[in-house]
Amino acid sequence: DTGVSQNPRHKITKRGQNVTFRCDPISEHNRLYWYRQTLGQGPEFLTYFQNEAQLEKSRLLSDRFSAERPKGSFSTLEIQRTEQGDSAMYLCASSFNRAPEQYFGPGTRLTVT
Amino acid sequence: GQQLNQSPQSMFIQEGEDVSMNCTSSSIFNTWLWYKQDPGEGPVLLIALYKAGELTSNGRLTAQFGITRKDSFLNISASIPSDVGIYFCAGQRSGGGADGLTFGKGTHLIIQP
Repeated sequence: DTGVSQNPRHKITKRGQNVTFRCDPISEHNRLYWYRQTLGQGPEFLTYFQNEAQLEKSRLLSDRFSAERPKGSFSTLEIQRTEQGDSAMYLCASSFNRAPEQYFGPGTRLTVT
Repeated sequence: GQQLNQSPQSMFIQEGEDVSMNCTSSSIFNTWLWYKQDPGEGPVLLIALYKAGELTSNGRLTAQFGITRKDSFLNISASIPSDVGIYFCAGQRSGGGADGLTFGKGTHLIIQP
């Protein structure tokens, strides 16, 4: 399968713990995006990378969130000191250069108890 | 964050019926995309529209990019059970640090046999 992959698919954590998610984009895609989706809503943009450079961050991305793409391939999204409001589906997408079509992975469902 | 206005929120239809849904915005977008999402999965790209007035088909799906660039429409003809899911519109402004997609809240399609 050459689509976008995300790990883990599900994560349950206690409030205050740190969590890290991984996204592997489609191999020839140099742009990688992170979105958050809560129940009953559409995905909301968080941040994106072109190769290893993080080019845009939404105001939704609080100081407790950090994303990296050190080698321009896979990316990680870390949430520190998780809060119950962080419970959501975290989606990753990738695209080729500036093509508008973004292809999504299956998401990581985070539950903070 | 900003979201597009999608309507209707949900549709209950009979198998074989045609479906119409739309998406509006107060802002102009350069690209419109339509996605379908099944429970627990990421959105899957259905159709991309690149210029005002464009009409594009993908099998039983037809989508249009509104002339004002502030709206888009999706039609599904002769619905079948596998069309069940949530349909999202998404707009992209492109350039100037605005490459993340802005999504609607979705139209939930339910098909009664």
